[in-house]
Amino acid sequence: AQSVTQLDSHVSVSEGTPVLLRCNYSSSYSPSLFWYVQHPNKGLQLLLKYTSAATLVKGINGFEAEFKKSETSFHLTKPSAHMSDAAEYFCVVSVPGEAGGSYIPTFGRGTSLIVHP
Amino acid sequence: GAVVSQHPSRVICKSGTSVKIECRSLDFQATTMFWYRQFPKQSLMLMATSNEGSKATYEQGVEKDKFLINHASLTLSTLTVTSAHPEDSSFYICSARRGGGNQPQHFGDGTRLSIL
Repeated sequence: AQSVTQLDSHVSVSEGTPVLLRCNYSSSYSPSLFWYVQHPNKGLQLLLKYTSAATLVKGINGFEAEFKKSETSFHLTKPSAHMSDAAEYFCVVSVPGEAGGSYIPTFGRGTSLIVHP
Repeated sequence: GAVVSQHPSRVICKSGTSVKIECRSLDFQATTMFWYRQFPKQSLMLMATSNEGSKATYEQGVEKDKFLINHASLTLSTLTVTSAHPEDSSFYICSARRGGGNQPQHFGDGTRLSIL
């Protein structure tokens, strides 16, 4: 079985400073990993994905994440926060189900990013 | 590309009413669709997974007869909340995935269901 741990329920930064949202996972298989962003009362938007290609993944809106197998981590970063980045962020791991069946994604609990002017 | 349309965005209805929510992949064929429920300030709770043409797989604790899922085509899945009660009030979100599990999900904008 797989699991995802988002270590921080809230992260607060000032506009223009770096963002770090942490995600650790556990999986018996080689995972696919995703970061999504959710603005209030909206669905989720894909920021980026890792699927066993380059370990440093660049996404939309200046976000990137690095897959570190030795640390079982997939932390999300951005060099400079913008007010519009304030939202809920979800880390997701996806691995094959039992007997190689359908992949079922597992969500982290989410991290709320707060950006101060 | 990869747009998912979820309709309606908001429903307010009386207790005992059945409510149908549609989820459509507009520009791709979705081999798998997922239905989630989200409580305020919480993560998404997977309710069920559906593959086109087959019965949905429900998560433990989700009542199949209460939450009817139909995935009649590669572009449409519906969730019907039967005989809804106030405790069913929630934010329901669908997602669609093209191909295997290393592909991302594409989410609808969600449906806010309020049962009076």
